[in-house]
Amino acid sequence: EVQLLESGGGLVQPGGSLRLSCAASGFIFSDYVMTWVRQAPGKGLEWVSAISGGGTITYYADSVKGRLTVSRDNSKNTVYLQMNSLRAEDTAIYYCAKSLFPASSPVDGSDIWGQGTMVTVSS
Amino acid sequence: QSALTQPASVSGSPGQSITISCTGTSSDVGTYVYVSWYQHHPDKAPKLMIYEVNNRPSGVSDRFSGSKSGNTASLTISGLQAEDEADYYCSSYTSTNTVLFGGGTKLTVL
Repeated sequence: EVQLLESGGGLVQPGGSLRLSCAASGFIFSDYVMTWVRQAPGKGLEWVSAISGGGTITYYADSVKGRLTVSRDNSKNTVYLQMNSLRAEDTAIYYCAKSLFPASSPVDGSDIWGQGTMVTVSS
Repeated sequence: QSALTQPASVSGSPGQSITISCTGTSSDVGTYVYVSWYQHHPDKAPKLMIYEVNNRPSGVSDRFSGSKSGNTASLTISGLQAEDEADYYCSSYTSTNTVLFGGGTKLTVL
């Protein structure tokens, strides 16, 4: 069964850091772009970042560029989101998702999503 | 970049058809076929319903269809059912190699 399981969320103070992980199973992980999408409380979905299958190409929304860093370890079938200089507006459920087709960029939709991990930035 | 524009809410009765619009610009929806639609029930993971404007992933009902004209994409749900009640989001690849989501549309089945 194809599965994604996020972890690492929690409560962090403004300016703090957190690293999210997303463990994948059931597919050839290195073939697929992996994406992070977040949903703030009461708000819609927001695309955050993506990384190519080989991990050499990364993509970021302007709102997180320079503060969030996506990476992956294909030997562990895991994608990460390092979150630094966190702000209150980063408070959200963070989902990781797998691209529908093997590709080098996040052009197509994501067909498999995790259940999400909650990040709360508050003092 | 601003989110793609969707109506905040739509509603319909069981058996009816509804259409949700998604308006972008020539830098996203207007240029690329990479428009997707997601269904999102509260406390569940989003589900991909349409990709590349009008294609359904395996397992998605043919009651769901997509189209695009100019800078506006649309999702049509025919034969509305109670379980279709959810939030729906469009997304599009953009000229800056990012993805934009719409603001979301709450579908109510009356």
